[in-house]
Amino acid sequence: DIQMTQSPSSLSASVGDRVTITCRANQGISNSLAWYQQKPGKAPKLLLFAASRLESGVPSRFSGSGSGTDYTLTISSLQPEDSATYYCQQYYNIVQTFGQGTKVEIK
Amino acid sequence: EVQLMESGGGLVQPGGSLRLSCAASGFTFNTYWMNWVRQAPGKGLEWVANIKQDGSEKNYVDSVKGRLTISRDNAKNSLYLQMNSLRAEDTAVYYCARAGAKLELRDWGQGTLVTVSS
Repeated sequence: DIQMTQSPSSLSASVGDRVTITCRANQGISNSLAWYQQKPGKAPKLLLFAASRLESGVPSRFSGSGSGTDYTLTISSLQPEDSATYYCQQYYNIVQTFGQGTKVEIK
Repeated sequence: EVQLMESGGGLVQPGGSLRLSCAASGFTFNTYWMNWVRQAPGKGLEWVANIKQDGSEKNYVDSVKGRLTISRDNAKNSLYLQMNSLRAEDTAVYYCARAGAKLELRDWGQGTLVTVSS
């Protein structure tokens, strides 16, 4: 199976800060990567797919980039409602895998 | 509006069985791959299984192979997860999720809690 390693596991940032989360696969996944946001007690929500394509309705402050094995989720200007846990997921392999998650807190 | 509604969770003893259901509406069910994803208490997301539109292909994470079985009934717009030989480590909220064109998980249900404990 493809292993996905996310970093950092948690971060604390101020409103308006630029936040970056990275995700590394142990083999190339050809941009078959999605990012999800999960708030406590809620189901995950798709933010981006195909590494950089923004899901409809998701604010444009969220963006994704990367290729090969290394991918990045960026929040350009952190907002209070962005406090959540973020997960990357590869769907290159039919047996899909998630990263371990990054908890984003607002200072 | 896409709606996915899981049911069937509950408390079960180790070694026991449970069948989860996911009722789908708001989309043409038989044209999408469907998935089960779980989340143990306080832990991250774990993809469990998926099933092709016509049920002809099923895939599982290694830890559940031979114990959990995914199925679907397209006439009833429903997805199922038959869970046998349950272990404490199967305790989790189980979500059903609709896949997008590239198998990203586009829509999610609210989840149903399965607790395996004596």
